Amino acid sequence: QVQLVESGGGLVKPGGSLRLSCAASGFTFSDYYMSWIRQAPGKGLEWVSYIKSNGSNIYYADSVKGRFTISRDNAKNSLYLQMDSLRAEDTAVYYCARGQSGTAFFDHWGQGTLVTVSS
Amino acid sequence: QSALTQPASVSGSPGQSITISCTGTSSDVVGYKYVSWYQQHPGKAPKLMIYDVSNRPSGVSNRFSGSKSGNTASLTISGLQAEDEADYYCSSYTSTRNWVFGGGTKLTVL
Repeated sequence: QVQLVESGGGLVKPGGSLRLSCAASGFTFSDYYMSWIRQAPGKGLEWVSYIKSNGSNIYYADSVKGRFTISRDNAKNSLYLQMDSLRAEDTAVYYCARGQSGTAFFDHWGQGTLVTVSS
Repeated sequence: QSALTQPASVSGSPGQSITISCTGTSSDVVGYKYVSWYQQHPGKAPKLMIYDVSNRPSGVSNRFSGSKSGNTASLTISGLQAEDEADYYCSSYTSTRNWVFGGGTKLTVL
């Protein structure tokens, strides 16, 4: 069955960096676009970034543009999010989510990894 | 991109029907058929319930239905059950090639 497992979250100081990973299994990873979506504690969902199935198109939310970098390794069935210049407002659970090409919805989500930015 | 507008909370008794609204703009809800709805239980990941305004993924109960009129999309849950108590989020693809979510609606089954 489809599985998405995030890792790499933790406590980091403001201005610091963190790299999240999402390991995919149970489907042909290279056939799907992927996104990172976050949820601050007690708050709603916020879309963060998108990467096309072959990595040729990448988009970011304005709130993270210039600080976060999404990437993928289809040979390793893995998605990444490099987060630099972290701020307190980046504190959230980060989910990776899958979408089918030609569609605009997320049909499978990981369980999330918590990123806490605090001094 | 501003968040889509949802009511903070709705409630209903078992067996009743409820509707959650989701209001957007010409840059998202109005301009695209790509409205989706997600259910999230406390401490769990979101689950896709409706996609492309009114389509149900396999395995989702037919008690869940979606629609859209103008700048407002709606999720209707009929025959409310205790297990439906959760947070619900709408989402839309946007003209800036982003996605936007609603603020979320807490459904309480009385």
